[in-house]
Amino acid sequence: DTGVSQNPRHKITKRGQNVTFRCDPISEHNRLYWYRQTLGQGPEFLTYFQNEAQLEKSRLLSDRFSAERPKGSFSTLEIQRTEQGDSAMYLCASRSDREKLFFGSGTQLSVL
Amino acid sequence: AQSVAQPEDQVNVAEGNPLTVKCTYSVSGNPYLFWYVQYPNRGLQFLLKYITGDNLVKGSYGFEAEFNKSQTSFHLKKPSALVSDSALYFCAVRRNTGGFKTIFGAGTRLFVKA
Repeated sequence: DTGVSQNPRHKITKRGQNVTFRCDPISEHNRLYWYRQTLGQGPEFLTYFQNEAQLEKSRLLSDRFSAERPKGSFSTLEIQRTEQGDSAMYLCASRSDREKLFFGSGTQLSVL
Repeated sequence: AQSVAQPEDQVNVAEGNPLTVKCTYSVSGNPYLFWYVQYPNRGLQFLLKYITGDNLVKGSYGFEAEFNKSQTSFHLKKPSALVSDSALYFCAVRRNTGGFKTIFGAGTRLFVKA
């Protein structure tokens, strides 16, 4: 069990560029989440996967955001045409069954 | 719809004193309830959870929380605070049947003074 791994740790991009983040969950966990956290706020739910199926996507999420988990293992989160308001910490978490969430260290996105 | 309220942005206590961090929730059906802690430049870490059974649950680092169904509350407590407990604390809720989305509160910053 090496924990939830997220890459990159930091990403600086210019407004209008596309960015992609990767999350490798704990291997036996079939449930994977993406959250967004801004300074001083709690994690905000973005999307949820059970195995490779994306079962829910937040209504707050614009069409510029897309996530995949093609083989039910790692997941990617892509943001197209980034805006300054997208600047935040993007967190990935995984769990099995009724258990608690295990969080990665996050990817800090800065849009200039 | 699910929601979590943490009414205090910050809680200040002296080392050695008991601490309470408040949380109330709203969820349809019965809840799974959680507390997580976030230290500076660290990821969120699980503290404790309520799934079913005894309303008083014990977790890591001497923390405990009491589930009160009538008041829809799940307050975090510790009998004797340590300076090292200073961190950001998040309460979270998920429905226990057909639920998968875990919703977090805005967080409460705990400051323990020596």
